[in-house]
Amino acid sequence: NAGVMQNPRHLVRRRGQEARLRCSPMKGHSHVYWYRQLPEEGLKFMVYLQKENIIDESGMPKERFSAEFPKEGPSILRIQQVVRGDSAAYFCASSPTKATEAFFGQGTRLTVV
Amino acid sequence: EDQVTQSPEALRLQEGESSSLNCSYTVSGLRGLFWYRQDPGKGPEFLFTLYSAGEEKEKERLKATLTKKESFLHITAPKPEDSATYLCAVQAGTALIFGKGTTLSVSS
Repeated sequence: NAGVMQNPRHLVRRRGQEARLRCSPMKGHSHVYWYRQLPEEGLKFMVYLQKENIIDESGMPKERFSAEFPKEGPSILRIQQVVRGDSAAYFCASSPTKATEAFFGQGTRLTVV
Repeated sequence: EDQVTQSPEALRLQEGESSSLNCSYTVSGLRGLFWYRQDPGKGPEFLFTLYSAGEEKEKERLKATLTKKESFLHITAPKPEDSATYLCAVQAGTALIFGKGTTLSVSS
């Protein structure tokens, strides 16, 4: 049973470009969470999704950031018009139900130059 | 405000030297406390979930305990391969709130 798969592992974007981060949850998991880890800071919650629904986006910046989890395919975290401050490691986690432990992917490290 | 504080920030041990990591938390209605291990450049790896005060869980050289205000991760006779950052998190609503972690270095 493959774990949570994230791609790409590393992504370099110039300021103003768009970044698309993909996450395939573990088999049988329908709950997906995105977290961001800035250097010297802890993991910060961004958004929680179930298939085709955004359940909680309280940690998502109001502008430029969006997330989706379509009926078919991976969950996507999209960052438009990236700025240097968006450089961070973005982690996806999945769980089989809402109230159980979440399993994390290896992350996508975004560098904005 | 829900908050998680881990101490110490960094800990250096000799192989075989047992110690404990602390996780203090304030949360309205604890739904679960989680311990993860994170190696450099990798994602957090799940270790334990604790739900109520007095609960304990063990895995190899690690033992996690929980009180109403804090959790401890006890490491018995650590080995160099136990070197990593250990993260504590509490469930608040739909999200996990993480501490900044304790970076453990075990030398042989």
